[in-house]
Amino acid sequence: DIQMTQSPSALSASVGDRVTITCRASQSISSWLAWYQQKPGKAPKLLIYKASSLESGVPSRFSGGGSGTEFTLTINSLQPDDFATYYCQQYDTYSRTFGQGTKVEIK
Amino acid sequence: EVQLVESGGGLVKPGGSLRLSCAASGFTFSSYSMNWVRQAPGKGLEWVSSISLSSSYIYYADSMKGRFTISRDNAKSSLYLQMNSLRAEDTAVYYCARDPGDLVYFDYWGQGTLVTVSS
Repeated sequence: DIQMTQSPSALSASVGDRVTITCRASQSISSWLAWYQQKPGKAPKLLIYKASSLESGVPSRFSGGGSGTEFTLTINSLQPDDFATYYCQQYDTYSRTFGQGTKVEIK
Repeated sequence: EVQLVESGGGLVKPGGSLRLSCAASGFTFSSYSMNWVRQAPGKGLEWVSSISLSSSYIYYADSMKGRFTISRDNAKSSLYLQMNSLRAEDTAVYYCARDPGDLVYFDYWGQGTLVTVSS
C-alpha cells in the first residue's frame, strides 16, 4: 500500500494566520490526492480533489498544491470554523490510504 | 440533498458478526460506486471496502479480506457490510461514503455507526 505521511501532526495558529499542511506519498501518485476536514464527532468533509481542485461550496481560502509525492493544503486567513483535523488521501490505487491527520488548534 | 444514513452498529463479542446498512437518498444510487471507511476511536481514517455500480467489482483492505463482505441493493438504494469473525481492533465508527468517480475520493459521507467489539 502507498503510505501517506502528514506534517505536522498538530499545530497551533491564530485567527487570520496562514496555515500550510504537508502530505508526502511513499511513491508517486501524480495528482490523485484529496483533502478532508473533520470536526469532533462528525464525518469528514471533502475540501480538495485532484490535488488542487476545490470542491463546490468550499471557501476559496482553502487551496491545494503539489504533484508526484509532495502536496500541500493551505488555509489563508484562518477562520474560527477552520479549527479541525485535516486528512490527505491518495487514490492512485484502489487501496485508498489516508495520512494520519493534522490537528489545527487555536493558539 | 444527498443523504447517507448508516445503521446496524452496536456491541458484539469477539468472534461475533454484525451487518451494517447504509440507506442512500437524494441521488441516483445505481450510478455511483460506494465505499465503507472506518475510524477507530481517537485514530485516523481507514478505507475498508468498495463496490462498483453493478457489483461487478469489489475490493477490500487486506485486514478485512475473508471476514467482511460488501454488497448493495440498487432497487433499495442501500449498501451493506457483513462483518464476521470480529476482533477488538475492528472497533470503530464505520462510515458509508460515495465515490464520485471510479475508485477515487469520497464526496459524501454518512454520519457513521459505531461498532464496539468487546467481551
